[in-house]
Amino acid sequence: DTGVSQDPRHKITKRGQNVTFRCDPISEHNRLYWYRQTLGQGPEFLTYFQNEAQLEKSRLLSDRFSAERPKGSFSTLEIQRTEQGDSAMYLCASRAVSGRDNEQYFGPGTRLTVT
Amino acid sequence: AQKVTQAQTEISVVEKEDVTLDCVYETRDTTYYLFWYKQPPSGELVFLIRRNSFDEQNEISGRYSWNFQKSTSSFNFTITASQVVDSAVYFCALSEGGVSGGYNKLIFGAGTRLAVHP
Repeated sequence: DTGVSQDPRHKITKRGQNVTFRCDPISEHNRLYWYRQTLGQGPEFLTYFQNEAQLEKSRLLSDRFSAERPKGSFSTLEIQRTEQGDSAMYLCASRAVSGRDNEQYFGPGTRLTVT
Repeated sequence: AQKVTQAQTEISVVEKEDVTLDCVYETRDTTYYLFWYKQPPSGELVFLIRRNSFDEQNEISGRYSWNFQKSTSSFNFTITASQVVDSAVYFCALSEGGVSGGYNKLIFGAGTRLAVHP
């Protein structure tokens, strides 16, 4: 499978706990994006990386959220002290900046439920 | 500010009907990109099309066609002879252009849920 993969697919956690999600982009895609999608809404941009550099963060990304892409390949998104409002689908996407096919391809998402 | 409006929350049609999904966008950029994505019940967003602001030519791909009109800031999507497999949520999205790498983060509309009944 050469698509974007995300792990875990589902996560149920209690309020106040920390959670970490992983995204593996398509090989050699240098841009990686995180989005959040709540029920009945479109995805909302959170942050993106070009290689290992985090170049933009949305105001939606509070201090409890942190993302990394240490070697320019996979990325992690951590949420500390989760709140019920964090319940959502977290989507990862990747794209190549150059070349013929530079579309943003999405992974299957991680559905987070905070109880 | 950039914004995408999909006024149709849900559309229900019978198989073989034609259906048009509306998308209206707002941007101050002169260079921008417009997209349509499909989200089937499985949940994964599937890319359908990307157009840039300098190319107003309509596009047809099989049963799918897109109508881009800068004068009305619209990028509508038509499915001809709809099929049950077309049932999904469809998202229109916008991205600023003129940045390194062509385009960047996507601003999505709220989506239109299409139900095609046999």
